[in-house]
Amino acid sequence: NAGVTQTPKFRILKIGQSMTLQCAQDMNHNYMYWYRQDPGMGLKLIYYSVGAGITDKGEVPNGYNVSRSTTEDFPLRLELAAPSQTSVYFCASTWGGSYEQYFGPGTRLTVT
Amino acid sequence: KNEVEQSPQNLTAQEGEFITINCSYSVGISALHWLQQHPGGGIVSLFMLSSGKKKHGRLIATINIQEKHSSLHITASHPRDSAVYICSYNTDKLIFGTGTRLQVFP
Repeated sequence: NAGVTQTPKFRILKIGQSMTLQCAQDMNHNYMYWYRQDPGMGLKLIYYSVGAGITDKGEVPNGYNVSRSTTEDFPLRLELAAPSQTSVYFCASTWGGSYEQYFGPGTRLTVT
Repeated sequence: KNEVEQSPQNLTAQEGEFITINCSYSVGISALHWLQQHPGGGIVSLFMLSSGKKKHGRLIATINIQEKHSSLHITASHPRDSAVYICSYNTDKLIFGTGTRLQVFP
């Protein structure tokens, strides 16, 4: 299994540009998550999904959108990038309950 | 108020010292996770435990489900153990503790 994969690893965006961060898992997990981590801070939930076709907002969803058309993929869309979106983005997945948590390697995004 | 509290927030140790990090949570859960994140690095799962104790090398995790408390111990600490340690559990979201930043000096 590849686990949770994220692309790209690094990206620099100009203010106002848009991009999609890709996340995929090959473990058939129903739960998938997007978190952001600002320097020296903890993880903040952006969006999550409990299964294909179902998404919900976390604590910091503004400026982002997600879709979950398949079990495997959970892309995060940034529209009109702003410097406040400079962060490291982590995707995670699990079957929930008493099952393991799996994290992607992260995408380091800088908006200038 | 965070649903998961960790203590201490910051910890400094000399190489070789025994380290304990504590985690308390307020709801009934089926399992607790301990995660590790090195500076600038990714998030690695160290343990998942539902009861008792687990050991992996110099790391030991214990949990008391009734008391809603878990501890992570590091024996013979080493500078490469310097990282942030996070406890976590699953609901429909992943709930994370506040994290403990450990620095081990030679």
